[in-house]
Amino acid sequence: EIVLTQSPATLSLSPGERATLSCRASQSVSRYLAWYQQKPGQAPRLLIFDASNRATGIPARFSGSGSGTDFSLTITSLEPEDFAVYYCQQRSNWLLTFGGGTKVEIK
Amino acid sequence: QVQLQESGPGLVKPSETLSLTCTVSGGSISSYSWNWIRQPPGKGLEWIGNIYYTGTTNYNPSLKSRVTISVDTSKNQFSLKLSSVTAADTAVYYCARALSEFDLFFAYWGQGALVTVSS
Repeated sequence: EIVLTQSPATLSLSPGERATLSCRASQSVSRYLAWYQQKPGQAPRLLIFDASNRATGIPARFSGSGSGTDFSLTITSLEPEDFAVYYCQQRSNWLLTFGGGTKVEIK
Repeated sequence: QVQLQESGPGLVKPSETLSLTCTVSGGSISSYSWNWIRQPPGKGLEWIGNIYYTGTTNYNPSLKSRVTISVDTSKNQFSLKLSSVTAADTAVYYCARALSEFDLFFAYWGQGALVTVSS
């Protein structure tokens, strides 16, 4: 099983600030990594797939980078609606796994 | 626009079988992979397994002995059965479709169904 470790667990920032979230894999997943945003009471929403491709309708302030074992999600300027929990997920092998999540909260 | 909707009992007794159905609208179930994912209250996401329209399945080894996923292409539905449930199986259960036929990222999700295991 590929373990995904996300850091930090919580990120306290103000609107307008830049957010950088990290996801580290226990072994290489190449670029087969996605990022999701989840708000309370809602299903997750796909933001980024294949490490750096934005999903349909996702604003350009969201970007993903990385390959192998180290990945990051950057939100260049936080909007009020961006405060949420973010998960990474790998599909490198058939046993799909998620990271534990990073909560981006208002400072 | 593809839409998914979970349905099934919201309360299941310990040792019994949890059964959920996902109805797909706005697209055919006869392609892509169709997945079940769960999230215990206040916790993270766990992939349960998936099925292709051909009937091929993959299950998370941690649940494999208790899980069955099936598909009914005539009704555009797929289903989850989880046997011998305990309180640890209390979670919101999501059905989800892959982004494309060639990947396993989840672009379409149901709203989620809370299933509580309690006597």
